[in-house]
Amino acid sequence: GDSVTQMEGPVTLSEEAFLTINCTYTATGYPSLFWYVQYPGEGLQLLLKATKADDKGSNKGFEATYRKETTSFHLEKGSVQVSDSAVYFCALSDNRYGGSQGNLIFGKGTKLSVKP
Amino acid sequence: DAMVIQNPRYQVTQFGKPVTLSCSQTLNHNVMYWYQQKSSQAPKLLFHYYDKDFNNEADTPDNFQSRRPNTSFCFLDIRSPGLGDAAMYLCATSRVFGVTGELFFGEGSRLTVL
Repeated sequence: GDSVTQMEGPVTLSEEAFLTINCTYTATGYPSLFWYVQYPGEGLQLLLKATKADDKGSNKGFEATYRKETTSFHLEKGSVQVSDSAVYFCALSDNRYGGSQGNLIFGKGTKLSVKP
Repeated sequence: DAMVIQNPRYQVTQFGKPVTLSCSQTLNHNVMYWYQQKSSQAPKLLFHYYDKDFNNEADTPDNFQSRRPNTSFCFLDIRSPGLGDAAMYLCATSRVFGVTGELFFGEGSRLTVL
């Protein structure tokens, strides 16, 4: 079945460092891909998404490009801040419900800690 | 202001004692979802409602039930909790059921089974 694999954390970086969180997927068909973020004490929030190959999603300085050839959707940010400390989830939507975000298949999450 | 509110945030129950978790939303969204997230694992969809239509995932145990009495509220009932049901339960909503239907999550209800 469909699955998402993301790098295990925790990831600890200094402020202004470059961030990459790797995410690869296995899916039949053409899934849509998402990154969700969970700040401490809060629910998951959509960070960015890409719906087809070569699409780049971006938000709040974060970017990820849908690479069909490598089945990857790595999250990057050029300069992290302390406020970026959170858990990041990569996810895909299968196509049972027309690509709905409702039936997301999540990775296990990567905890990011940014130190001043 | 919180838009998806889950209660309680923390629930402790005994093995086999029924428990109900609630979710309310102020977004007037059509779709409501329940996810289960066990420690260090990915969130897993249990079921969802599209308006009043209930959709159960094939591998959701019968022990888990849900009710949606109106647009704003959705309940998760665990009839006979086992130790393996200890988890964070996440409620989410979306206005539409498609790729553009961004999910809005509550903060979760953490269930402990003694």
